[in-house]
Amino acid sequence: EAGVTQFPSHSVIEKGQTVTLRCDPISGHDNLYWYRRVMGKEIKFLLHFVKESKQDESGMPNNRFLAERTGGTYSTLKVQPAELEDSGVYFCASSHPGQPNYGYTFGSGTRLTVV
Amino acid sequence: AQSVTQPDIHITVSEGASLELRCNYSYGATPYLFWYVQSPGQGLQLLLKYFSGDTLVQGIKGFEAEFKRSQSSFNLRKPSVHWSDAAEYFCAVGAQRISFNKFYFGSGTKLNVKP
Repeated sequence: EAGVTQFPSHSVIEKGQTVTLRCDPISGHDNLYWYRRVMGKEIKFLLHFVKESKQDESGMPNNRFLAERTGGTYSTLKVQPAELEDSGVYFCASSHPGQPNYGYTFGSGTRLTVV
Repeated sequence: AQSVTQPDIHITVSEGASLELRCNYSYGATPYLFWYVQSPGQGLQLLLKYFSGDTLVQGIKGFEAEFKRSQSSFNLRKPSVHWSDAAEYFCAVGAQRISFNKFYFGSGTKLNVKP
C-alpha cells in the first residue's frame, strides 16, 4: 500500500508569507495527525483528526495555524502569516481506527524554513 | 504531565560495536512505549513497541528494548551496529489506552557509525 505522502518536501518562505502543507494519509485511515519538530527539539503533537472532525487541537501553537481535512481524505496545514519560529519539520501521520496498537505511519515530513 | 527524556543528543559508535540508547519517561499510567527511527530523507519508522507482558521486546533490524518500570526507562539496544543504522532515534510514550491519539516524543538521539 502507498504510505503517507507529504508535500512539498521542502519549503522556504519569507516571514509574513503564507504556506500550505499537504498530507495524504493511507487510504482508509480515518485518523490523521500533525506533529512538528522545531530544530533540535522534541517532536510535538499539533492536532488529530478523525475523518473530517478535529478531535484534539491542543497542540496548535496559535491562530496563525489552520488545519483542515475536507471530506475526510487529505489534510492541509496553513500557516498565515509565517514567523521565523515556525521553521521546523512538519510530520503527518495516519492510523486505522481498528489498529490502534500498531502505532502510526508517518510521512517523511515537510521541512519549512522561514527567513 | 507526560514527558520523555533522551539524555544523549549524539552518540558515535564503531561498526560492529554494541549500542544502547537511553530513554526515560514520565507518565501517570501504564505507559505504551515506542521507538522510532528516522533515516535521512525518510519518514519516522516504527522499530518496536511495548504494551504489556514480556519487558524485553524485539523489533525490526535486530533492535530490542527493555522496559524497566522501577527506573521509568525503555532503553534501546543492538548487539552489533551496522553502518546503515546511522540515523536519528526517537523514544515516545503513547497516551490513551484505546486509540493513540497523541504521542509524546523525546528530543531524539543522533547515531553516527564509524567504519
